[in-house]
Amino acid sequence: LAKTTQPISMDSYEGQEVNITCSHNNIATNDYITWYQQFPSQGPRFIIQGYKTKVTNEVASLFIPADRKSSTLSLPRVSLSDTAVYYCLVGDMHNAGNMLTFGGGTRLMVKP
Amino acid sequence: NAGVTQTPKFQVLKTGQSMTLQCAQDMNHEYMSWYRQDPGMGLRLIHYSVGAGITDQGEVPNGYNVSRSTTEDFPLRLLSAAPSQTSVYFCASSSLDRGRRGYTFGSGTRLTVV
Repeated sequence: LAKTTQPISMDSYEGQEVNITCSHNNIATNDYITWYQQFPSQGPRFIIQGYKTKVTNEVASLFIPADRKSSTLSLPRVSLSDTAVYYCLVGDMHNAGNMLTFGGGTRLMVKP
Repeated sequence: NAGVTQTPKFQVLKTGQSMTLQCAQDMNHEYMSWYRQDPGMGLRLIHYSVGAGITDQGEVPNGYNVSRSTTEDFPLRLLSAAPSQTSVYFCASSSLDRGRRGYTFGSGTRLTVV
């Protein structure tokens, strides 16, 4: 299982772009990178997933360099409601028997 | 669009008691799993299942049992509750091809063992 390392916490202000980087030096060829968001007292929610280069959806972008040893979740123009914990997961997404582990996540605090 | 439903939402147990946490999904997902989340921590995988009749252990399986008799349901049983099992428990499901949308999580069961 690829181990991930994320910053424990980050602060930002409303309207700013936030970039959260995840290190995964031991990523395997079949591994994908997935990011989840978790609000207090709720289960995690899928944000975005990618394998290489750049992926963008309606809420975020995911940047993955060529060596895939890290990835960066980019949240454009954050608001107070983006205050949450963000988790980076690495694993073989097409193999349901493959366990996926959550690290400690990054606690993002957005200030007015 | 119920998604993943967990019951109960809250539970207080005495040490040594047993109970079953229920999890049901209506998305016809083959994969289901149970996580626990301790205060200020990430999620740790307890057990998972890739289909009816098939279960396997995760990172922290001791003290818990699971079964998967139907695609929809994946109950988690605490055999003899201990204070160390005080936690929030999340059930998650996904299609076998998790490349589509990842996991869908339930809203959690907050368990306190006294």
